Amino acid sequence: AQSVTQPDIHITVSEGASLELRCNYSYGATPYLFWYVQSPGQGLQLLLKYFSGDTLVQGIKGFEAEFKRSQSSFNLRKPSVHWSDAAEYFCAVGEANAGKSTFGDGTTLTVKP
Amino acid sequence: EAQVTQNPRYLITVTGKKLTVTCSQNMNHEYMSWYRQDPGLGLRQIYYSMNVEVTDKGDVPEGYKVSRKEKRNFPLILESPSPNQTSLYFCASSLRRGGETQYFGPGTRLLVL
Repeated sequence: AQSVTQPDIHITVSEGASLELRCNYSYGATPYLFWYVQSPGQGLQLLLKYFSGDTLVQGIKGFEAEFKRSQSSFNLRKPSVHWSDAAEYFCAVGEANAGKSTFGDGTTLTVKP
Repeated sequence: EAQVTQNPRYLITVTGKKLTVTCSQNMNHEYMSWYRQDPGLGLRQIYYSMNVEVTDKGDVPEGYKVSRKEKRNFPLILESPSPNQTSLYFCASSLRRGGETQYFGPGTRLLVL
């Protein structure tokens, strides 16, 4: 069974500092991996995704993530955080040709001025 | 505008009173899915549908029903709601399957008394 672990429930960073959100997954084959962001009171929006190919993927809002098969990780990074990045972030894994989707428990990001 | 809509957005009901939350998408997507979001538990998949008349259980299907009679609609039915179904519900759709980018509705906040 597939699973996703986001070890950090809550992270606080200063505006302008770098950010890394961790995600570890368990999946039998090559996974389809996603990062979504949820702003307060909103639905989820896709930040980036990995299916195959280059293991470093670029997303919207200056985010990037790196797929590391050996570590079963798909960590999200941003070199300089903006106050508007404060939100909840979800890592997710999807089945290649089926319907199951599994989300992590989420990481809440607080940005200090 | 491409979107997923849910109705109602907010609902307060009492234990045992049947209710339906509607979900509709205008993107001609084959895949649709329902999730519930609870604090500290991330998003958990309730049911998904790969196409019309094709539905399957997610991780937490107990107490819920779905139907997919038309491609654009995927209603979630609670035949006898209980307080433990108080939650924030999201509908999502994607072009073909769970391994693709999902587009989320705005959410339905349900309180069962």
